[in-house]
Amino acid sequence: GNSVTQMEGPVTLSEEAFLTINCTYTATGYPSLFWYVQYPGEGLQLLLKATKADDKGSNKGFEATYRKETTSFHLEKGSVQVSDSAVYFCALILNGNTGKLIFGQGTTLQVKP
Amino acid sequence: KAGVTQTPRYLIKTRGQQVTLSCSPISGHRSVSWYQQTPGQGLQFLFEYFSETQRNKGNFPGRFSGRQFSNSRSEMNVSTLELGDSALYLCASSYDGANEKLFFGSGTQLSVL
Repeated sequence: GNSVTQMEGPVTLSEEAFLTINCTYTATGYPSLFWYVQYPGEGLQLLLKATKADDKGSNKGFEATYRKETTSFHLEKGSVQVSDSAVYFCALILNGNTGKLIFGQGTTLQVKP
Repeated sequence: KAGVTQTPRYLIKTRGQQVTLSCSPISGHRSVSWYQQTPGQGLQFLFEYFSETQRNKGNFPGRFSGRQFSNSRSEMNVSTLELGDSALYLCASSYDGANEKLFFGSGTQLSVL
C-alpha cells in the first residue's frame, strides 16, 4: 500500500548544526510530497512541498528534493535554531485522492542552545 | 485572512456519549478534511468533504461521520464514544483538496473517560 517512512526520533542537535531528517515513500502513481511542522499545542503548518520528480521545495532555510529513483524526500537545513524545535512530518498525497494526506510517524527535533 | 478555526479546543466526554466537533475553513476554501492524531497511530485520515459531499473516506468505523454546510463549514460527529477515540482531531482546508497544500487548524483535543 501507500506509505511514508521517517527516521525515528528524537533528534537532538546543538544550535547551528546541520539537520537531515530522512523520509522515504511507497506510492502507486506520482504523488506530491510535503513536509509539515507541528509546534507544541498547535496544528500542522506546511513547511514545503514538491509536486514532481527533481523538484526542490524550500522555505525558511529548509530544503527537500523529490527523488523518484530513490523514492525519497529528505529534509535538510544548514544551520538549525532553537526555534526549530518541533515535530516534523513527511507526507504524500496521490493524484485524485483529494484531501487525503498520508503521513509518516513524525520526527521530534530538539535543538539545544 | 483568518485561518482554519476549530471549536471547541478541548472536550471531555464519557464512554457511550456522542460528540460533535466544528471546523470553519479559510474563506474561499471548499474542501475540508478531517484527521485523527494519536501517539500510537499517528495522523490518520478520516474523510474529506467538498461542496457538501463526502468525496473521500478513510478506514474508520461508521461511528465517525461528518457533514459540510453550504458555507463550507464542516462538522464531525462521533457516536458511542470509546476510550480509544481519545485523540487530537485536526481539520484542514484547501481550495479544492487536490495536490495542493492543506491548511490545518489547531485541533480539538478529545478525552474520553
